[in-house]
Amino acid sequence: ILNVEQSPQSLHVQEGDSTNFTCSFPSSNFYALHWYRWETAKSPEALFVMTLNGDEKKKGRISATLNTKEGYSYLYIKGSQPEDSATYLCAFLNTGGFKTIFGAGTRLFVKA
Amino acid sequence: DAGITQSPRHKVTETGTPVTLRCHQTENHRYMYWYRQDPGHGLRLIHYSYGVKDTDKGEVSDGYSVSRSKTEDFLLTLESATSSQTSVYFCAISDGLAEETQYFGPGTRLLVL
Repeated sequence: ILNVEQSPQSLHVQEGDSTNFTCSFPSSNFYALHWYRWETAKSPEALFVMTLNGDEKKKGRISATLNTKEGYSYLYIKGSQPEDSATYLCAFLNTGGFKTIFGAGTRLFVKA
Repeated sequence: DAGITQSPRHKVTETGTPVTLRCHQTENHRYMYWYRQDPGHGLRLIHYSYGVKDTDKGEVSDGYSVSRSKTEDFLLTLESATSSQTSVYFCAISDGLAEETQYFGPGTRLLVL
């Protein structure tokens, strides 16, 4: 069974703080890693798709890095805002391609 | 927003009854997925489809079946609902394989009493 782990499980920060969290996944047979942002009462929305070792992606204040050799990805949020409060999910796909394995998510709370 | 709808959005049913959830897309995407979301587990893949009449199991497929007779519709059936199948069910679509983003529907909240 493939295991994708995210840490921490939850995180409370103050507005303006920068923060980061981790997604760990199997390093063998890597194909792609996705990051999603999931607000309460909504559906998950895509942030990044990463496929190459060393990939770095950025969207506004949010960025992500990928290390496929050691099996981890970091998501960074610079200058957190209350509207960043959400659950951040990572999803791993191996070379089988179709079967997406999601982590349990990191729940971020940003206090104004 | 990707054109994905799910029906019903909420359902309460009794143990042992059959239940069918529908996912409908207007994007003509090839791939469709059913997930369930439970506290502490994130999203878990139940079944997926890679084309009309082409489906396969995900990691939590026991007790569920699917059908895809048209590109736009992907049905999830609980043949005999159990309380452990109380969950929120999300449908997703994508236009390609692993490197393509999945777009999620609004979810169906199912309560099995």
